[in-house]
Amino acid sequence: DTGVSQDPRHKITKRGQNVTFRCDPISEHNRLYWYRQTLGQGPEFLTYFQNEAQLEKSRLLSDRFSAERPKGSFSTLEIQRTEQGDSAMYLCASSLIRGTLNTEAFFGQGTRLTVV
Amino acid sequence: AQSVTQLGSHVSVSEGALVLLRCNYSSSVPPYLFWYVQYPNQGLQLLLKYTSAATLVKGINGFEAEFKKSETSFHLTKPSAHMSDAAEYFCAVSRRDSNYQLIWGAGTKLIIKP
Repeated sequence: DTGVSQDPRHKITKRGQNVTFRCDPISEHNRLYWYRQTLGQGPEFLTYFQNEAQLEKSRLLSDRFSAERPKGSFSTLEIQRTEQGDSAMYLCASSLIRGTLNTEAFFGQGTRLTVV
Repeated sequence: AQSVTQLGSHVSVSEGALVLLRCNYSSSVPPYLFWYVQYPNQGLQLLLKYTSAATLVKGINGFEAEFKKSETSFHLTKPSAHMSDAAEYFCAVSRRDSNYQLIWGAGTKLIIKP
């Protein structure tokens, strides 16, 4: 198992452009989370999936952000019409939740987005 | 509502000295508790977790934490700091009745002085 992988690791984009990030979770994990992290801050929850179902979205998430997990495996996070305030590290994590079993969240290396 | 408080956004210790990073949580039911470490431009790595078994939990890199229900605390310690311990440390809590959603502390940056 190679762990959680995120692609790309770095993305520089011009303001107003759309960007899409990909996350491949650990294969048997049914839960997938997206977080955003700015310098000196903790992870800020964006959304999470249980299998292919998106169970919760942060109220802070504007409608420019959308996430999918179409087959309950990999996930994509798209940001439309990027703004400079979107510059941050975007972290993906996965875990296995089954009955009383609850593994810890395993994180990818993150995608660093810079909007210029 | 749950919350996690990490006392001290920055903690500075000398190499070889005791490391103590504080975490207090608010929860009306027993939570799961986690400590994660983050090195610059990296994702978060689990150091250790408490899941209602032993109250003293040993983790990687010589770290350990003790769950104290009466104090609602889960402080992280290491007897002797190493330069490689310099990083940001995050405490997090989750609960079964909150669908295991992770609630994060603001983080503590650990600085190691030579």
